[in-house]
Amino acid sequence: GENVEQHPSTLSVQEGDSAVIKCTYSDSASNYFPWYKQELGKRPQLIIDIRSNVGEKKDQRIAVTLNKTAKHFSLHITETQPEDSAVYFCAATRLRDDKIIFGKGTRLHILP
Amino acid sequence: NAGVTQTPKFQVLKTGQSMTLQCAQDMNHNSMYWYRQDPGMGLRLIYYSASEGTTDKGEVPNGYNVSRLNKREFSLRLESAAPSQTSVYFCASRDSPTQNIQYFGAGTRLSVL
Repeated sequence: GENVEQHPSTLSVQEGDSAVIKCTYSDSASNYFPWYKQELGKRPQLIIDIRSNVGEKKDQRIAVTLNKTAKHFSLHITETQPEDSAVYFCAATRLRDDKIIFGKGTRLHILP
Repeated sequence: NAGVTQTPKFQVLKTGQSMTLQCAQDMNHNSMYWYRQDPGMGLRLIYYSASEGTTDKGEVPNGYNVSRLNKREFSLRLESAAPSQTSVYFCASRDSPTQNIQYFGAGTRLSVL
């Protein structure tokens, strides 16, 4: 089955700097890669996703890159702000596959 | 349009007691999920249901049972609760196969003493 590894488990960056979170997956047939953000005490919510037919997708300060050959994908947050402090989860799955497995999460701290 | 609703929000059980966590969605989604969240372990899939009448095991199904009562409702049952089941439980739904976004409920915080 699919196995998703996420690194680092904790990340601290200075406000205004960039943050990068990386995930690797095991199933070469995976073709859909979402990222969820979970603020303290709240539910996870989708922030960005990418399909395997593109290598990069951007939405304002966040971007996701995908390297299918190496089976890894990354979340990039630029110009970090205090409200970016949260836990971020990646997942890898096949479109139309209902079983969705998440990475263990990255706790991002934005330092003032 | 409430989205995904979970009840109860909090629950304390004694070892060996049973209980059912309820989940309902009003978005007419096909797929529904139960995850548990523990510190450092992320979101682990317990069971999921691709459609009404079907259920499948996830990563950590032992000690749990589920029922997809109808398209709206997906319940999670602990028959004999154990301290290892102390966790935050999240229900989610997804409008597969047309959409891939999972919508999560607010969570149920369960403590087993």
